[in-house]
Amino acid sequence: DVKVTQSSRYLVKRTGEKVFLECVQDMDHENMFWYRQDPGLGLRLIYFSYDVKMKEKGDIPEGYSVSREKKERFSLILESASTNQTSMYLCASRQRDRIYEQYFGPGTRLTVT
Amino acid sequence: AQTVTQSQPEMSVQEAETVTLSCTYDTSENNYYLFWYKQPPSRQMILVIRQEAYKQQNATENRFSVNFQKAAKSFSLKISDSQLGDTAMYFCAFSNSGGGADGLTFGKGTHLIIQP
Repeated sequence: DVKVTQSSRYLVKRTGEKVFLECVQDMDHENMFWYRQDPGLGLRLIYFSYDVKMKEKGDIPEGYSVSREKKERFSLILESASTNQTSMYLCASRQRDRIYEQYFGPGTRLTVT
Repeated sequence: AQTVTQSQPEMSVQEAETVTLSCTYDTSENNYYLFWYKQPPSRQMILVIRQEAYKQQNATENRFSVNFQKAAKSFSLKISDSQLGDTAMYFCAFSNSGGGADGLTFGKGTHLIIQP
């Protein structure tokens, strides 16, 4: 069974803090993704990675960065959290050639106060 | 760039009824994948059904089926004999099939409520 795990289900941070959201998958997937989910806006792609140390911007990368030092782990970093980054963050992964099979983590609900 | 549009923010039906969720998309690609994902309250996103654009036959998974109209760029989801456990957010999503690393493009979602 494919498993995508995220380090926290709920997180509360203060404005200006540096925030790390961690995602780990156990199926040796090459591709990993970070999405942001907001009511009425659906899911929007922040960043993705297709290999270790490789990263590509998605549709809304501003205010975020990512790190992929190991194949199984993909981190989303908020360098200086702001209240407009309060949201649900979903991680996903898939095999490079299995475009039709993307697996999602449970999500991290981040509140920035 | 692709866009996915779900025009029904919320729908409510009685248990055992049939319900259809609509989705339209825009792309210049000829081959691609379309998906319906379900997100129950406070639970994980799961894949309900997928369709590859070059396949003319509509996909079916038990009570879930799609009506894929490629020329009209329409991809609706039909849920037959709806159950209380079908209450969830439903997202339509699009993916190129070109083998790239790109993620999915999602619609804004439809909140489906099944009433007892």
